[in-house]
Amino acid sequence: GENVEQHPSTLSVQEGDSAVIKCTYSDSASNYFPWYKQELGKGPQLIIDIRSNVGEKKDQRIAVTLNKTAKHFSLHITETQPEDSAVYFCAGAGGTSYGKLTFGQGTILTVHP
Amino acid sequence: DSGVTQTPKHLITATGQRVTLRCSPRSGDLSVYWYQQSLDQGLQFLIQYYNGEERAKGNILERFSAQQFPDLHSELNLSSLELGDSALYFCASTQTPGLAGGETQYFGPGTRLLVL
Repeated sequence: GENVEQHPSTLSVQEGDSAVIKCTYSDSASNYFPWYKQELGKGPQLIIDIRSNVGEKKDQRIAVTLNKTAKHFSLHITETQPEDSAVYFCAGAGGTSYGKLTFGQGTILTVHP
Repeated sequence: DSGVTQTPKHLITATGQRVTLRCSPRSGDLSVYWYQQSLDQGLQFLIQYYNGEERAKGNILERFSAQQFPDLHSELNLSSLELGDSALYFCASTQTPGLAGGETQYFGPGTRLLVL
């Protein structure tokens, strides 16, 4: 089955800096890669996603890039703000996994004012 | 608010007991997914139902079972509870059984289960 690895496990940045979180996946048939933000006591909230027919997608301060050949994808957050502090999860799905999401281990992002 | 609702928010019970967690999908969604989030295992897929039928199974223990009712709400039953079952349980929903056609999974707020 699919295996998703996520790095780093913790990330600390100053407000206004950029943050990058990287994930690799194992199943070359996977074709859908969402990113979720989870705040304390809440469920995962989708922040951006990308499908395998696209190399990059951007939504305001958030962007995701996908390299199918290398089987890795990354989340980029620019101009970070304290409210970006949360746990971020990458996931993979599709192919043999069909609808189920296989999650990375999560990254605790702390943005210092 | 994702539109997915889960009850109860918190559940405290003892080892050996049985509990039922409930999930109502977003309006119009036919598929429900259950995930378990624990400190040591992370977020793991348990089971998926689509329009009342089991669609996919993950690392779900035999002590756990689920079903989806005609009104599309789903229940996750956990029995013979052990300390290690303490976790957050989330459900998510989609309209179709997969993630094609631009679909994505929206998660509910979760049920926090504590087994003492």
